[in-house]
Amino acid sequence: EVQLVESGGGLVQPGGSLRLSCAASGFTFSRYTMSWVRQAPGKGLEWVSSVSGSGGSTDYADSVRGRFTISRDNSKNTLSLQMNSLRGEDTAVYYCAKVVVARQWSSAFDIWGQGTMATVSS
Amino acid sequence: EIVLTQSPGTLSLSPGERVTLSCRASQSVSNSYLAWYQQKPGQAPRLLIYGASSRATGIPDRFSGSGSGTDFTLTISRLEPEDFAVYYCQQYGSSPWTFGQGTKVEIK
Repeated sequence: EVQLVESGGGLVQPGGSLRLSCAASGFTFSRYTMSWVRQAPGKGLEWVSSVSGSGGSTDYADSVRGRFTISRDNSKNTLSLQMNSLRGEDTAVYYCAKVVVARQWSSAFDIWGQGTMATVSS
Repeated sequence: EIVLTQSPGTLSLSPGERVTLSCRASQSVSNSYLAWYQQKPGQAPRLLIYGASSRATGIPDRFSGSGSGTDFTLTISRLEPEDFAVYYCQQYGSSPWTFGQGTKVEIK
């Protein structure tokens, strides 16, 4: 079964850091671009960041560029998101997501994790 | 950045009715790289349609997508009770990948 399981969410003060992880199983992880998508409470979906299958290419939303870093460990089938200089507006459920088409940068997200909540508050 | 505008914001319908949801882009979506997702409360989004008209694995054929350029549509031919949810469109043709604000389909 194809599965993504996020972890690492929690409560952090403004200006603090948090590292999210996503454990993947059931597919050849290294062949797929992986992404993080977030959803603030009661709001819509916002793409955050993506990383290519090899890890050599990354992209970020302007709202997080310079503060968040996406990475992956293909030997451990794990995706990560290092979040620094956190702000109140970063409070959201963070989902990791796999794209539909192998070895394609631009593709829709066909598998999502259950999400992990990150709350930024003093 | 491509802005996606979904309409209407909310639809109140009865099971068995036909539904048409609209997604309009502020500029042309490259290669018709447009997806539709369904999200129910407390759940992750589920992919319904990608490439504007291709159904994702396991999606019933009552869901169909159409459109190109700047205008896209998701149609549900006959609403089932489990279809009441929020629907989002997303473009992945140009960075940043963006989502519409969502259309809620609620029970009348």
